[in-house]
Amino acid sequence: QKEVEQNSGPLSVPEGAIASLNCTYSDRGSQSFFWYRQYSGKSPELIMFIYSNGDKEDGRFTAQLNKASQYVSLLIRDSQPSDSATYLCAVKRGSSNTGKLIFGQGTTLQVKP
Amino acid sequence: NAGVMQNPRHLVRRRGQEARLRCSPMKGHSHVYWYRQLPEEGLKFMVYLQKENIIDESGMPKERFSAEFPKEGPSILRIQQVVRGDSAAYFCASSSGAANTEAFFGQGTRLTVV
Repeated sequence: QKEVEQNSGPLSVPEGAIASLNCTYSDRGSQSFFWYRQYSGKSPELIMFIYSNGDKEDGRFTAQLNKASQYVSLLIRDSQPSDSATYLCAVKRGSSNTGKLIFGQGTTLQVKP
Repeated sequence: NAGVMQNPRHLVRRRGQEARLRCSPMKGHSHVYWYRQLPEEGLKFMVYLQKENIIDESGMPKERFSAEFPKEGPSILRIQQVVRGDSAAYFCASSSGAANTEAFFGQGTRLTVV
């Protein structure tokens, strides 16, 4: 079992729709959860981070965390073609400050005009 | 994030040569992480360093790879006697090290071994 799992996709949604990206993790001691966006050939760009159960909203993005189910998701409202990219879920283990991130393999999102 | 500077952006090496990748963290950041991304794969943690110390090298291959972060200057990821399987994008990230803080990534170095 991979430590962080994502469906590789591609996930295809029409412009203006809600895109839902999902991620599960295996380490119950994980404390911090991050969503990065990566365009082809570019570096990962932080979109959102979440530490507490529940929802966290930032503009068109909402991160959802359920530690009991070991599940974190990212919702993108009013999807735009410019949102087409690979979305990486990352988890920071435990409560230490080591800072090491464990990444999933990423989900490719395609937003069709 | 433009604040984390990596160079070179592209590096071509012949099999058996050495590759040196450099990373200067964001201003105020003293924690550096190196990740490797193989084609069509996610990022894999390699090593975590603070100034003059290796904190976690659990992701580093046992041979040919080394990393340092000297008191002065950038962090260096060194790959000796490169092989074709080393071809990948190598990303550096930095953070302040405080709990629950995010890491910011540099633009990466694309290493091609021919």
